[in-house]
Amino acid sequence: ETGVTQTPRHLVMGMTNKKSLKCEQHLGHNAMYWYKQSAKKPLELMFVYSLEERVENNSVPSRFSPECPNSSHLFLHLHTLQPEDSALYLCASSGGRGSGNEQYFGPGTRLTVT
Amino acid sequence: DAKTTQPTSMDCAEGRAANLPCNHSTISGNEYVYWYRQIHSQGPQYIIHGLKNNETNEMASLIITEDRKSSTLILPHATLRDTAVYYCIVRAALYSGGGADGLTFGKGTHLIIQP
Repeated sequence: ETGVTQTPRHLVMGMTNKKSLKCEQHLGHNAMYWYKQSAKKPLELMFVYSLEERVENNSVPSRFSPECPNSSHLFLHLHTLQPEDSALYLCASSGGRGSGNEQYFGPGTRLTVT
Repeated sequence: DAKTTQPTSMDCAEGRAANLPCNHSTISGNEYVYWYRQIHSQGPQYIIHGLKNNETNEMASLIITEDRKSSTLILPHATLRDTAVYYCIVRAALYSGGGADGLTFGKGTHLIIQP
């Protein structure tokens, strides 16, 4: 138990669906991240939020839309995805300015796009 | 961030010490060495980090060479649950540019603990 929870743990969606992934951290951190891990590939950073502001968008297609309403919650809104978007989506959080850079990850959401 | 090089895979007998090497010859003065691991289909887990002194916590020890160009993560008594992919990442400990920094993961070392 890392203090970072993600829901749902598994999601199957069609290419025309709209769904959202949710992440919540109970660590008092002020930075949150989305990563993507496709089969047999290293983790790829998607988005970074610090103090609820997006500070990095790693050339992610617009069909992925992040939202950070407060420092404890992070969402990833999905629409018109492609089968190649099937992957494990991981959320992480870290302490923020002035603290160390160790990140704590959630268990991930396994997404399958059909 | 400095680039790291790790062996693709390693085996270790259960109960023995597992020593995982990492080369980071281009590391700069303000960069730390971080280690994470990822057990199959789970989120990565932070293990330890250090700058130049050796570090130890409840999970592992980190030995950094004097020239800081390489390091070794040591799991003192490996168990089957330590089978995972281990990632060595080099980056500044504190945030730069006023914001948070994402991590750049390589392929890591797949450590297999044999019974």
